[in-house]
Amino acid sequence: AQTVTQSQPEMSVQEAETVTLSCTYDTSENNYYLFWYKQPPSRQMILVIRQEAYKQQNATENRFSVNFQKAAKSFSLKISDSQLGDTAMYFCAFRGLNDMRFGAGTRLTVKP
Amino acid sequence: GAVVSQHPSRVICKSGTSVKIECRSLDFQATTMFWYRQFPKQSLMLMATSNEGSKATYEQGVEKDKFLINHASLTLSTLTVTSAHPEDSSFYICSARRTSGGETQYFGPGTRLLVL
Repeated sequence: AQTVTQSQPEMSVQEAETVTLSCTYDTSENNYYLFWYKQPPSRQMILVIRQEAYKQQNATENRFSVNFQKAAKSFSLKISDSQLGDTAMYFCAFRGLNDMRFGAGTRLTVKP
Repeated sequence: GAVVSQHPSRVICKSGTSVKIECRSLDFQATTMFWYRQFPKQSLMLMATSNEGSKATYEQGVEKDKFLINHASLTLSTLTVTSAHPEDSSFYICSARRTSGGETQYFGPGTRLLVL
């Protein structure tokens, strides 16, 4: 079974600074997808970024980028120029052949 | 974009009654929808995978007779919590994946259920 581990329950960052959230996963599959979702206080899950495992190039979306290390099964999220609106729970997710599994989440607080 | 709606957004019911939650993909067709449960300050726990026109696949430990899932069309899945009890109080979230392809799941806004 796939497992997703987020080892940082809480993190904080100063506005305009950069922060990296960690995620590791375990799988025996070779083709899969990885995602970072954001859940603000409204509790609406919002897709931040996705990565296909067959692509070596790290995905980027504006201020958000990932460091995907397939051999190490690591998928970290870097948020640059942090904004107050980035304050939320961040979930790392793995999707293989079947369903999507989530990590326990990291609560990120951006401080003014 | 891909929009998923849920109704109701919150519901309060008495113990022993049944509650139906609807999940709709508004601007795309979804052969597969997923139902999750989220406890306060915890992650999403997959309850079941809903497939259009066939029976849902339930995760281990989830009672299929208590959590009835119907996926009657490509844009609608429903979750019915039967004979609800206070321990069923939770935040229920659905998500949908496009029939036309793509691995991204789009999430509804969630339904907060409180059973008294």
